[in-house]
Amino acid sequence: QVTLRESGPALVKSTQTLTLTCTFSGFSLSTSGVCVSWIRQPPGKALEWLARIDWDDDKYYSTSLKTRLTISKDTSKNQVVLTMTNLDPVDTGTYYCARIPDYNKGWFDPWGQGTLVTVSS
Amino acid sequence: QSALTQPPSVSGSPGQSVTISCTGTSSDVGIYNRVSWYQQPPGTAPKLMIYEVSNRPSGVPDRFSGSKSGNTASLTISGLQAEDEADYYCSSYTSTSTFVFGTGTKVTVL
Repeated sequence: QVTLRESGPALVKSTQTLTLTCTFSGFSLSTSGVCVSWIRQPPGKALEWLARIDWDDDKYYSTSLKTRLTISKDTSKNQVVLTMTNLDPVDTGTYYCARIPDYNKGWFDPWGQGTLVTVSS
Repeated sequence: QSALTQPPSVSGSPGQSVTISCTGTSSDVGIYNRVSWYQQPPGTAPKLMIYEVSNRPSGVPDRFSGSKSGNTASLTISGLQAEDEADYYCSSYTSTSTFVFGTGTKVTVL
């Protein structure tokens, strides 16, 4: 069974750096083709794709947030970490990680339960 | 990368069919069959309902179907049921190796 779980601070202040961890089980990020993405959702708003890291350590970022995001993986710990710098209250929302079973296919399944992050001014 | 365009809401009575459109560009929906759809009931994480335009994962009822024409993908729910009430999002791979989501559609069962 594939599961993912996000963890990180629930409350951060403006201008600070956010570090979120996605801990997964049931698959390996060293398996060819497998990827993990981060997606966020402001309260009452739509999903927004943030970043993706591939089994071969290739990384891709949202064009609009590229300068503020860093994604990395620790294959031995089955973890993917996302850092976001220079936080603003508009970054408040639920942050999800999700597996992409095959980089050549392009769908997210399954998703973690999400972690709510509130940015105070 | 601009969000894919979806109608804010659609509604139907139990047993009816509803269709949600998802309009992108020739840099995403138009050139790839990597369009997927997600169901998100209130307070829950999104769940994959359709992948690669028209394929259903195991366990998803066959009343959910997907299609694509040009830059627009569609999700149809046939035989609408009360449990289908949720927000629905489309997603597409893009020409820059990134992803983009739709603006989201709230499905209401009358």
